[in-house]
Amino acid sequence: LAKTTQPISMDSYEGQEVNITCSHNNIATNDYITWYQQFPSQGPRFIIQGYKTKVTNEVASLFIPADRKSSTLSLPRVSLSDTAVYYCLVGEDNAGNMLTFGGGTRLMVKP
Amino acid sequence: EAGVAQSPRYKIIEKRQSVAFWCNPISGHATLYWYQQILGQGPKLLIQFQNNGVVDDSQLPKDRFSAERLKGVDSTLKIQPAKLEDSAVYLCASSGPDGVYNEQFFGPGTRLTVL
Repeated sequence: LAKTTQPISMDSYEGQEVNITCSHNNIATNDYITWYQQFPSQGPRFIIQGYKTKVTNEVASLFIPADRKSSTLSLPRVSLSDTAVYYCLVGEDNAGNMLTFGGGTRLMVKP
Repeated sequence: EAGVAQSPRYKIIEKRQSVAFWCNPISGHATLYWYQQILGQGPKLLIQFQNNGVVDDSQLPKDRFSAERLKGVDSTLKIQPAKLEDSAVYLCASSGPDGVYNEQFFGPGTRLTVL
């Protein structure tokens, strides 16, 4: 299983762009990179997933360099409601695969 | 589409008592997961089902925890007897064959307090 390393916490202000980087040096060829968001008292929620280069959806962008040993979740123009814990997961789409949530990054958005 | 349902939402028991949690996944989702999330930590996978078969239960404390998924739909997670360190939120998630890889849909969780 590829282990992931993320910053424990980050602070930002409303309207800023936030970039959270995740290291996964042991990523395997078949592994995808997935990010989840979790608000207090709720279960995690899928944000974005990618394999290589760049992926963008209505919520975020995911940047993955060619060596795939890290990835960066980019949240454009954050608001107070983006205050949450963000988890980076690495794994493949396989019924036998067990994904591991790390400690996540606690993002605090200030007014 | 209805989400993952869990009950109860909250449960308070004394140590050495038993407790059971119920999960109803999204209709059609073949894979069901149970996670334990201790305050301040990320979710820890306890067991993963594919239909009604166990895919992985390597992190399930089998001396006190058990889980089943009869008929490949609903699932129950039981703790007997409970210990103080079992106080946590128990999350159920499901995923289907469609959509992005590994997208899991989580329920609201059951917050267990063991006194």
